[in-house]
Amino acid sequence: DQQVKQNSPSLSVQEGRISILNCDYTNSMFDYFLWYKKYPAEGPTFLISISSIKDKNEDGRFTVFLNKSAKHLSLHIVPSQPGDSAVYFCAASEWYTGNQFYFGTGTSLTVIP
Amino acid sequence: DAGVIQSPRHEVTEMGQEVTLRCKPISGHNSLFWYRQTMMRGLELLIYFNNNVPIDDSGMPEDRFSAKMPNASFSTLKIQPSEPRDSAVYFCAIGGASGANVLTFGAGSRLTVL
Repeated sequence: DQQVKQNSPSLSVQEGRISILNCDYTNSMFDYFLWYKKYPAEGPTFLISISSIKDKNEDGRFTVFLNKSAKHLSLHIVPSQPGDSAVYFCAASEWYTGNQFYFGTGTSLTVIP
Repeated sequence: DAGVIQSPRHEVTEMGQEVTLRCKPISGHNSLFWYRQTMMRGLELLIYFNNNVPIDDSGMPEDRFSAKMPNASFSTLKIQPSEPRDSAVYFCAIGGASGANVLTFGAGSRLTVL
C-alpha cells in the first residue's frame, strides 16, 4: 500500500526549460517532505525538503511546493540542465517519528541538450 | 555516500544460497535503515534501528530476511534462502548524522539471484 505516489515514471524536458515532478501522498499525518536525486549505481542524495508549516521552499534552481489540502507536492527545476538527468524520489514522514520516511517509486528525468 | 559504506556492491548468487549484505555507517548517527529498491515499489523500508535496537521490521518481506546491528558501526541484512524475486538493490541509510532530519544513503548492494 503506497502512501507516497509518483505517478509519472519518466519525464523528458529540453535543456533550459522547466522540469516539474509531482508527488501525492495519502497519509494526512505526514508533515515533513523531502526530494532525493539518484544517479545510476549511486545511492539517493538529499536535494531539498519542506515542512508542512510552509507551502514553498527554494534552493537555487530547485523549488518545492506543498499543497496540504490536496496532499500534493511538486519539485520545480528551472532552468533544467543535462546534469539534472537522474531519478527523483519523493519522501514523506511524520516529524515526531524521526527519520521513518516513506518513498515514492521515483520519476526518471531526462534533460535533452 | 562517503558516510555509509556498503558491501558487496554487486552480488550474484544462485537460488537457495545465503546472502549477507553489510553496512558500515559513520559515527554520530542514531538510526539506521535498510531499504530495497525495485521498479514496481520504489524504495521500500525493510527495517530500521534506533540506537542499535530494531524498532520496526514490518517491512521485512518474509522470515527468510533478518537484520542485525551488533554495534553502532555495523549492520547486516541476511537472506536465507535467497530466491530470484529477492533480486533488487538494497540500500543502507543513516539518520541524524548531521542533526538534521535527513537520511544519508550508501551506494547500495545490487543483488541478483539466479
